[in-house]
Amino acid sequence: NAGVMQNPRHLVRRRGQEARLRCSPMKGHSHVYWYRQLPEEGLKFMVYLQKENIIDESGMPKERFSAEFPKEGPSILRIQQVVRGDSAAYFCASSPPRGRGNQPQHFGDGTRLSIL
Amino acid sequence: DQQVKQNSPSLSVQEGRISILNCDYTNSMFDYFLWYKKYPAEGPTFLISISSIKDKNEDGRFTVFLNKSAKHLSLHIVPSQPGDSAVYFCAASPPRSSNTGKLIFGQGTTLQVKP
Repeated sequence: NAGVMQNPRHLVRRRGQEARLRCSPMKGHSHVYWYRQLPEEGLKFMVYLQKENIIDESGMPKERFSAEFPKEGPSILRIQQVVRGDSAAYFCASSPPRGRGNQPQHFGDGTRLSIL
Repeated sequence: DQQVKQNSPSLSVQEGRISILNCDYTNSMFDYFLWYKKYPAEGPTFLISISSIKDKNEDGRFTVFLNKSAKHLSLHIVPSQPGDSAVYFCAASPPRSSNTGKLIFGQGTTLQVKP
């Protein structure tokens, strides 16, 4: 499967625990994006990363949330001390470098995070 | 501050007829627009896109129209098929000069195609 891979597909955490969501981009893609979808809403941008660099984190909550895309391995979205309001579907997307033209972002199937 | 709006939460059409999904935006600086289809428990799937320098792009049964003066785009699906039943999201991209990769999504329109 050459698509964007996210795991786990479902994650259950208790309030105060940490959640780690992983994303492997499509082969040949060096740009990764994280989005969050709350029930009955559209997707909201969180963060845009390239290898070892955060390019735009304007959609990330100021506290408890962090993201990385290391030189080796998947991108990680980390949520510390989770609260009920963090329950949502988290989607990762990837794209090749924008180069001369616009490139669509391709999405994984998401991680459904449930906070007890 | 909803910069991309899909004002119709749902749409129902008969198989074989045309489906028209609409999307409005407020920021005239957006330069790239996309449509995604989403099934339950899956991620959005890219359908078709259009650059702001064009007013129409066609791919098989899917055509996207862009009216920049009205800040409006639409997706036409013809003929509609039951397998097209899904949630459709439009999305807009700020210009590359802003150095952000974000897509700004509408709230989605649920399309039901009846056999």
